[in-house]
Amino acid sequence: EVQLVASGGGLVQPGGSLRLSCAASGITFSRYWMSWVRQLPGKGLEWVASIKQDGSEKYYVDSVKGRFTISRDNAKNSLYLQMNSLRAEDTAIYYCAADSGRYWGQGTLVTVSS
Amino acid sequence: DVVMTQSPLSLPVTLGQPASISCRSTQSLVSSGGNTYLNWFLQRPGQSPRRLIYQVSNRDSGVPDRFSGSGSGTDFTLKISSVEAEDVGVYFCMQHTHWPRTFGQGTKLEIK
Repeated sequence: EVQLVASGGGLVQPGGSLRLSCAASGITFSRYWMSWVRQLPGKGLEWVASIKQDGSEKYYVDSVKGRFTISRDNAKNSLYLQMNSLRAEDTAIYYCAADSGRYWGQGTLVTVSS
Repeated sequence: DVVMTQSPLSLPVTLGQPASISCRSTQSLVSSGGNTYLNWFLQRPGQSPRRLIYQVSNRDSGVPDRFSGSGSGTDFTLKISSVEAEDVGVYFCMQHTHWPRTFGQGTKLEIK
């Protein structure tokens, strides 16, 4: 069974930082592009960032460029999202996803508020 | 950025009746390699999205054959031949031909 377990969300003040993690099992993690996708409360889906299998290519949505960093550790079957300079508009459920949405995690809630 | 526009945004359907959702993109989704990277997802209430269709018309494993995808270039359609109660939720299209990846706004299917 494929599992993508996201963790690391929580309440943070504007300007603060969080690091999200996604632990993968049931798939050959190193074979897949991995992505973070977020969903604002009660809203649609927004792609945030993607990373190539070997980490050599990374892409970001404009609104997070320079603030968020995606990374992975294939030895640990894990995906990460370092989020700095957080803003209220970053408040969302963050999902990790593999292979352009073939597999999804359960999401972790990030709330940016004072 | 490629803008994905879905219609309708709300879709009330009687059980057993067909349903159709349109997704249009502002640029062609045909890649340089000739593939078209258009996916359809269903997000049931309180759940993560689930992929139903990839590359326009390929059903994922376990997806009932009442779901079908079609289209080309900039114009795509998801059809449900006979809606069942478990089909309730929000349907999203997503393109992954171009960066940044982009989603449609979502179509909420409900039972009349």
